[in-house]
Amino acid sequence: EAGVAQSPRYKIIEKRQSVAFWCNPISGHATLYWYQQILGQGPKLLIQFQNNGVVDDSQLPKDRFSAERLKGVDSTLKIQPAKLEDSAVYLCASSLNPEPDTQYFGPGTRLTVL
Amino acid sequence: TQLLEQSPQFLSIQEGENLTVYCNSSSVFSSLQWYRQEPGEGPVLLVTVVTGGEVKKLKRLTFQFGDARKDSSLHITAAQPGDTGLYLCAGALQGAQKLVFGQGTRLTINP
Repeated sequence: EAGVAQSPRYKIIEKRQSVAFWCNPISGHATLYWYQQILGQGPKLLIQFQNNGVVDDSQLPKDRFSAERLKGVDSTLKIQPAKLEDSAVYLCASSLNPEPDTQYFGPGTRLTVL
Repeated sequence: TQLLEQSPQFLSIQEGENLTVYCNSSSVFSSLQWYRQEPGEGPVLLVTVVTGGEVKKLKRLTFQFGDARKDSSLHITAAQPGDTGLYLCAGALQGAQKLVFGQGTRLTINP
């Protein structure tokens, strides 16, 4: 069974530029999560989707971050414009159920904002 | 302020030694999970504990959930270099659907 796929694996941009990350969850997993993991910290949930609907986006900085999961399968996370403090690893995870369940994480995208 | 505090944040020990990592909170969790994360990879689930006082064993790893479901510990016996990694605890607050992660314990086992 294929795991959670993410691309790109690495991205370097300058502040005020835009960037987008892509995630393809495990087939059949209805719930998809985007996390931000700053160096030295644990992952912080940015947004949780159940199929193509948003369950929780309370910690998503909506002035610059956006995410969509239009067909209830893959998802994109966008930052526009990026700030220095956005430098982090962005992790995508998926699970069968919306309840705290076994979450399967992708390898992440390491973003560096210069 | 972290909802889940892990200690120690860094631990470097010799192969064969035993160690314990702690995950503490003032909040009650309906379940708690432990993950291990290696460089360049996402976290991988090790165990989920749901009952206060529950103890689970995974080979040389022993996980315990506190009686009040506010804390947890991970004990490793006879640590191996392959145990090296970032250990994360994550809790589900009662009534919530999301996980809250601790800041992690970076463990290094030296041969």
